[in-house]
Amino acid sequence: EPEVTQTPSHQVTQMGQEVILRCVPISNHLYFYWYRQILGQKVEFLVSFYNNEISEKSEIFDDQFSVERPDGSNFTLKIRSTKLEDSAMYFCASSEKFANSFYEQYFGPGTRLTVT
Amino acid sequence: QKEVEQDPGPLSVPEGAIVSLNCTYSNSAFQYFMWYRQYSRKGPELLMYTYSSGNKEDGRFTAQVDKSSKYISLFIRDSQPSDSATYLCAMSGGRGSTLGRLYFGRGTQLTVWP
Repeated sequence: EPEVTQTPSHQVTQMGQEVILRCVPISNHLYFYWYRQILGQKVEFLVSFYNNEISEKSEIFDDQFSVERPDGSNFTLKIRSTKLEDSAMYFCASSEKFANSFYEQYFGPGTRLTVT
Repeated sequence: QKEVEQDPGPLSVPEGAIVSLNCTYSNSAFQYFMWYRQYSRKGPELLMYTYSSGNKEDGRFTAQVDKSSKYISLFIRDSQPSDSATYLCAMSGGRGSTLGRLYFGRGTQLTVWP
């Protein structure tokens, strides 16, 4: 069964460093998402991406964050200058569509980011 | 954010019990209501979804949506130890956002003991 994969599973970085989290969505999916979950808190939407453009972003997704689909298979989230409060589990998801009706979002296993 | 509220539990029940999980929400524009299940060290996995109000049944699972009360429920009948997981409610289609943006509750941790 196709699945979303994410690398690395755990990333430790120092405050102020740049990190890139990588995701390989399901191959025929067209819509991609990033969510994060701070320990003990809700899963929060960061951004959705379609056709090489951001479709929607949340208030969390500020100028420190960027997303990219560098090739036909990867989808990346970059945090330019990490802060302690960026420590969280980051989930990538993908779906076939989401336009006018419901399409299931398939989630990857997550990357745990620890900022020290 | 108070968009979606869910009691985090934990909830511990014996095998065979009926489990009731609930969420409330504030955004009356939500259109789709989902229940995700999350096992340890895994991403959320869609269990069921409902469009607008009403009930939906899938095997031992029943999802209910009451839009007038802004309240959704998931019932698990004849619960099994394999149902032990964290259950997250999620919603989309809120005012000013796309259907692809999911708003999650905190999740309820469920343990079903043999």
